[in-house]
Amino acid sequence: SQQGEEDPQALSIQEGENATMNCSYKTSINNLQWYRQNSGRGLVHLILIRSNEREKHSGRLRVTLDTSKKSSSLLITASRAADTASYFCATHFGNEKLTFGTGTRLTIIP
Amino acid sequence: DAGITQSPRHKVTETGTPVTLRCHQTENHRYMYWYRQDPGHGLRLIHYSYGVKDTDKGEVSDGYSVSRSKTEDFLLTLESATSSQTSVYFCAISESGQGDGIQYFGAGTRLSVL
Repeated sequence: SQQGEEDPQALSIQEGENATMNCSYKTSINNLQWYRQNSGRGLVHLILIRSNEREKHSGRLRVTLDTSKKSSSLLITASRAADTASYFCATHFGNEKLTFGTGTRLTIIP
Repeated sequence: DAGITQSPRHKVTETGTPVTLRCHQTENHRYMYWYRQDPGHGLRLIHYSYGVKDTDKGEVSDGYSVSRSKTEDFLLTLESATSSQTSVYFCAISESGQGDGIQYFGAGTRLSVL
């Protein structure tokens, strides 16, 4: 399966600290997306990074992509209680549909 | 939730009964998807639609059927519900059908099959 695998599965940090989560995948991709899911809600798109890009920013979010290692990381800087959520990577390769990983559950401790 | 309404939001049913979940969008997006979310499995694609009356199977389509008679509505039917279909079901929409399309999700339907 092309499914991305997030690491760690769960992460707890103090408010104000930075949070980093990783996604590894198995075959070459066209692009990779990150989504956030708050408890009891649907997923919300955060960032899309294409295979020819190495880094993208959006506010406090920074996503990197290393195609040689088949991995991506999502960095959330200066975390807030509202960042408590599950974060999913989703990979696209070939003509296939988007494939979602199992997620990282992030808890921000006030 | 980006103009996407799922109904019902919660449902409890018995094994062997038919169940239909509805997804309604007001965004006029061409593509619509049904996913199920289970612990340890992430989101898995059940079926998707690329236009009115145009649908195709996803990764976990067995036991499910779909229909799309209007652009705005995408129905997921469990012909005879089983306990293994207890899950949270999400509808999503996108303008692009390729994997580079951003997907917008509904709030989900929590289904329990007893």
